[in-house]
Amino acid sequence: AQRVTQPEKLLSVFKGAPVELKCNYSYSGSPELFWYVQYSRQRLQLLLRHISRESIKGFTADLNKGETSFHLKKPFAQEEDSAMYYCALRMWDNYGQNFVFGPGTRLSVLP
Amino acid sequence: GAGVSQSPSNKVTEKGKDVELRCDPISGHTALYWYRQSLGQGLEFLIYFQGNSAPDKSGLPSDRFSAERTGGSVSTLTIQRTQQEDSAVYLCASSLATSGGAITDTQYFGPGTRLTVL
Repeated sequence: AQRVTQPEKLLSVFKGAPVELKCNYSYSGSPELFWYVQYSRQRLQLLLRHISRESIKGFTADLNKGETSFHLKKPFAQEEDSAMYYCALRMWDNYGQNFVFGPGTRLSVLP
Repeated sequence: GAGVSQSPSNKVTEKGKDVELRCDPISGHTALYWYRQSLGQGLEFLIYFQGNSAPDKSGLPSDRFSAERTGGSVSTLTIQRTQQEDSAVYLCASSLATSGGAITDTQYFGPGTRLTVL
């Protein structure tokens, strides 16, 4: 079955330190991976997607098919990065699309 | 512009009652998605619509759940004979389309409806 795992429920780092939020997936097809973020009292929103190969708010994520990973990284964490982060996998089949989300990692950036 | 809106924001109901949750997508968005966010299950994809059509309803948790979309706009998620395990935040999202890259298939989420079944 398709799965997305995020091993850390909570990750605390100090401001200015590097941060890496881990995400691993299992899927036999061609994966589309996303990172979503939910800041306190705000709506869930897309942070970045692997296809775009972009850097958003200093975050990057590289799809590693060999390790089936899509870890989210930022070299210097900021307090405003504190939020809940979800890794998500999109799959397509004959019926259309389906999404599987990881359980989420709460990032806390300490001053 | 106006984002995705959902109503009600909170709903408390008694076990066994039916509830209807509403989602108003961003104007012009052809795709609409429903998710459930609960403490024990995390974020769970339920169903999506392309226009008024839902290609796959297998993600709905049980046959007590149904969803419809009319006029390519508003969608309702109906839960019949609610159970305590239905308590969750129900999220709706919309996108311009379901594919085509970042501009067209980025999902914009609503604030959610918090459903509590007593």
